[in-house]
Amino acid sequence: DADVTQTPRNRITKTGKRIMLECSQTKGHDRMYWYRQDPGLGLRLIYYSFDVKDINKGEISDGYSVSRQAQAKFSLSLESAIPNQTALYFCATSEWTGSYNEQFFGPGTRLTVL
Amino acid sequence: TQLLEQSPQFLSIQEGENLTVYCNSSSVFSSLQWYRQEPGEGPVLLVTVVTGGEVKKLKRLTFQFGDARKDSSLHITAAQPGDTGLYLCAGYPFKAAGNKLTFGGGTRVLVKP
Repeated sequence: DADVTQTPRNRITKTGKRIMLECSQTKGHDRMYWYRQDPGLGLRLIYYSFDVKDINKGEISDGYSVSRQAQAKFSLSLESAIPNQTALYFCATSEWTGSYNEQFFGPGTRLTVL
Repeated sequence: TQLLEQSPQFLSIQEGENLTVYCNSSSVFSSLQWYRQEPGEGPVLLVTVVTGGEVKKLKRLTFQFGDARKDSSLHITAAQPGDTGLYLCAGYPFKAAGNKLTFGGGTRVLVKP
């Protein structure tokens, strides 16, 4: 079974709709992240959470919100979707190895906003 | 302009050839990582380099961290079709707060049989 799961895997929606992307993990990690991926831009950090009571904005948080419902669950919401939010979205967890963080990614959600 | 610049953006080679992917920055990083991503999946960590000048080998893949900790390279010897994928470098800027990983734009590698 996958350690980091994302639902849905694909979603097509219309401008102005509210969308929630969900992430669950069984790795027992405290740290969770949401990224978006656009061609040629790599992955950009939207929000991150170091534990259930700690939520932080990343470099591109405008238009997004998150909720950390439990250690294992971190959801991303688009309150009013717009076409330039069309992208591949990844959830990740991480653990500290002693000298660096190792991140583990989910399979991604492909979101299309028409 | 991205903090980490990868080159080339796309590379197409024949099976058995060698290739090198570069990851450059004007900033110093405490560590750099390389990920490989296949279609429909999330990135998977290949290696982390933490010491300036460090060289790590993973079968046919050789990773190097620059002496000044501002750049890294990935060299694949005798590439195989299974090496096809998107290669991403990522790093932790040395003085950045919040311990956030910064990604390069990626290099798409296609190895033809």
